[in-house]
Amino acid sequence: GAVVSQHPSWVICKSGTSVKIECRSLDFQATTMFWYRQFPKQSLMLMATSNEGSKATYEQGVEKDKFLINHASLTLSTLTVTSAHPEDSSFYICSASAAGGPDTQYFGPGTRLTVL
Amino acid sequence: GENVEQHPSTLSVQEGDSAVIKCTYSDSASNYFPWYKQELGKRPQLIIDIRSNVGEKKDQRIAVTLNKTAKHFSLHITETQPEDSAVYFCAARSNAGNMLTFGGGTRLMVKP
Repeated sequence: GAVVSQHPSWVICKSGTSVKIECRSLDFQATTMFWYRQFPKQSLMLMATSNEGSKATYEQGVEKDKFLINHASLTLSTLTVTSAHPEDSSFYICSASAAGGPDTQYFGPGTRLTVL
Repeated sequence: GENVEQHPSTLSVQEGDSAVIKCTYSDSASNYFPWYKQELGKRPQLIIDIRSNVGEKKDQRIAVTLNKTAKHFSLHITETQPEDSAVYFCAARSNAGNMLTFGGGTRLMVKP
């Protein structure tokens, strides 16, 4: 149990385009999902906390207008990177905590974004 | 906010030896400390976790110890195997928001 999926697993796009990444909890309901960014050989940096039915909470330094987060249901959160630029190239990973469950966060497989 | 420091950044051991990774945290209100293993290009996988009301937890070859007074916790891997080679991350969760703050990671290499 506690499986989190992400789609797509990798994407290459041209500079200026927008990219949407989906994060789904497959076998549990997640009131809270988290979005992280991970650069090569670095740690996971929390970008935002996504709560179902409410606005996301962004970490300091993360532009909310550039990284749009929508958590429309208890099993789906989306991250849209708007007007992507080469510096946005990174590994984006989501995680989810089960509603009413233990503290454990389960991670998705990640999405590798390359902006040309 | 919470700040988590992790040491060492790289660790090389011989197969069969033990490996110890240490983390410190800054927020005394943090109450949950998971450890994740991440292989190259893959998702972090939870390997063990500990809560603030427990001082030690063990699961086969893996153990975690927590010293709340000193605000540090450690991961111990005994009888290391080549498949233990990966990057390990510690994390701490503060009471507010259920968010995790990660350490910088330790690249463990187990030589056969």
